[in-house]
Amino acid sequence: EVQLVESGGGLVQPGGSLRLSCAASGFTFSSYEMNWVRQAPGKGLEWVSYISSSGSTIYYADSVKGRFTISRDNAKNSLYLQMNSLRAEDTAVYYCARIIAPADAFDIWGQGTMVTVSS
Amino acid sequence: DIQMTQSPSSLSASVGDRVTITCRASQSISSYLNWYQQKPGKAPKLLIYAASSLQSGVPSRFSGSGSGTDFTLTISSLQPEDFATYYCQQSYSTPPEFTFGPGTKVDIK
Repeated sequence: EVQLVESGGGLVQPGGSLRLSCAASGFTFSSYEMNWVRQAPGKGLEWVSYISSSGSTIYYADSVKGRFTISRDNAKNSLYLQMNSLRAEDTAVYYCARIIAPADAFDIWGQGTMVTVSS
Repeated sequence: DIQMTQSPSSLSASVGDRVTITCRASQSISSYLNWYQQKPGKAPKLLIYAASSLQSGVPSRFSGSGSGTDFTLTISSLQPEDFATYYCQQSYSTPPEFTFGPGTKVDIK
């Protein structure tokens, strides 16, 4: 079964750090571009970051640029999001999502992991 | 930056109704438009990609159309399991922005 499973969410104080992980299974992870997408409580979807299949190309939303770092380990079938200098407005469910070409649609999503930034 | 809008923001409909949701881009995005369904507490699910292509496993009552700036998602005969929030997303920008629309909530009349 094709599956993505996120972990690493939790409660963190403003200014703190957190590292999210996304474990992939059921497909050749190294062949796919990946993303992080977040959803604040009661709000819509916001794209956060993109990484190419090899990890050589990376993009971020302006709202997280300079604070978040996306990475992947194709040998471990895993995607990561290192989040530093966290703010209250980063509070959200974070999803990892696979891209399918050429439409660049997000065809497989994880179940999400909740990040709460609060003192 | 490309902005996405959706209308209506919410609608009430009955089982069996034909439902149409509109998505508009602030500039031409060709056919780089995708539609997702999200139910409460669940991850989004891809319904339509490239404006009109039905994702594998998605019922044929869902269809998409449009190109350029104006797009529609149509549910030909609403089923109980279709009550959800629907989002459009553009995948045209380079570098990518993958902007989502604000969503349209479909609930029971």
